[in-house]
Amino acid sequence: AQSVAQPEDQVNVAEGNPLTVKCTYSVSGNPYLFWYVQYPNRGLQFLLKYITGDNLVKGSYGFEAEFNKSQTSFHLKKPSALVSDSALYFCAVDGREQAGTALIFGKGTTLSVSS
Amino acid sequence: SQTIHQWPATLVQPVGSPLSLECTVEGTSNPNLYWYRQAAGRGLQLLFYSVGIGQISSEVPQNLSASRPQDRQFILSSKKLLLSDSGFYLCAWDFGPATGELFFGEGSRLTVL
Repeated sequence: AQSVAQPEDQVNVAEGNPLTVKCTYSVSGNPYLFWYVQYPNRGLQFLLKYITGDNLVKGSYGFEAEFNKSQTSFHLKKPSALVSDSALYFCAVDGREQAGTALIFGKGTTLSVSS
Repeated sequence: SQTIHQWPATLVQPVGSPLSLECTVEGTSNPNLYWYRQAAGRGLQLLFYSVGIGQISSEVPQNLSASRPQDRQFILSSKKLLLSDSGFYLCAWDFGPATGELFFGEGSRLTVL
């Protein structure tokens, strides 16, 4: 069965420093991986996805993610964090290859960027 | 462009009362539609999905039901709410399969007292 894990409930970083939000996955077959961001009391916003091709995927708001097949990871990164990046981040794997499934989300990681 | 609307945005209901949350998508046809629930501001649980009018699949047994009376309309209902139904409900759509991202509505916060 497809699954993703986000090992950190919270990540704290100072503004201007690089940030990493971790995600590992477990899939059978080719992984289709996604990152979403959620601001308080809002819906989820799509950041980026990995389908195939380059292992470094660039997305919205200066975020990027690195796909690592050997480590089964898809960590979200940003070179210089902003206070406005503070939000809840979700990693997801696509389960729609199988009937009766949809995107499967991790439990989320709260990113807190301090000024 | 496509847009997705959910309403109401906030709802406070007593235990045992009925529920109806509505979701509509504009600017597209024959989308896949999904209802997720987010409890305590954390993980997302898929409740229902639909690939067409009248076609509903349920992921977990629960006190809720879903219907799709029109191509771009998805309704989440309950006849009698439980305290445990409280949460943030998110509607989403996509074209599927496999490679496309989900597009989410702004959510409906339900508090059952």
